Amino acid sequence: DSGVTQTPKHLITATGQRVTLRCSPRSGDLSVYWYQQSLDQGLQFLIQYYNGEERAKGNILERFSAQQFPDLHSELNLSSLELGDSALYFCASSVDPGGRKIGNTIYFGEGSWLTVV
Amino acid sequence: EDQVTQSPEALRLQEGESSSLNCSYTVSGLRGLFWYRQDPGKGPEFLFTLYSAGEEKEKERLKATLTKKESFLHITAPKPEDSATYLCAVPPMNYGGSQGNLIFGKGTKLSVKP
Repeated sequence: DSGVTQTPKHLITATGQRVTLRCSPRSGDLSVYWYQQSLDQGLQFLIQYYNGEERAKGNILERFSAQQFPDLHSELNLSSLELGDSALYFCASSVDPGGRKIGNTIYFGEGSWLTVV
Repeated sequence: EDQVTQSPEALRLQEGESSSLNCSYTVSGLRGLFWYRQDPGKGPEFLFTLYSAGEEKEKERLKATLTKKESFLHITAPKPEDSATYLCAVPPMNYGGSQGNLIFGKGTKLSVKP
């Protein structure tokens, strides 16, 4: 158990809908990261929040957004869903955001399976 | 373009049959290379970080090595519980100071039969 909690574990929704995925980081971790894993693209970094503020952006679509709340939990909002958005979405956390030398590991949750039909 | 390529895509071994997985990368100014293990339906689990060519790290039956162009994950006398997908990842050149901003390879799915 990594200590990172994600809900829901499974979600089925229709095209055009909007969903929210939730993540609670490990106790004491200030950084939260979101990733998408699909069969064809593999694991892709979407976005990072550190202590409530956006820190880094990866291949995140404009239809997707995220936020981190004062209690450090984070939500990933996916809107106008398309069939291609079906994937496993991971949240990860770490103590600090990084720096010139990457040292601290990041810890992944078990993911949220999203199926768009 | 920053890229990470892993080979083979799948590897089947008999218990005790040692082998190596490859991860090649094209990133300028490597800041570190990560190896993760991922079990089906689970999140990746951190194994190693390597920072510079020539560096080696070991954990039980696994040993990771790094050169200027690639990394190897050597598995010695594997057991069925080593079956998993092994991912390697590197930060892109413009990683923006984020240690979670990683480019992942598509992984090698390892199956170890008893």
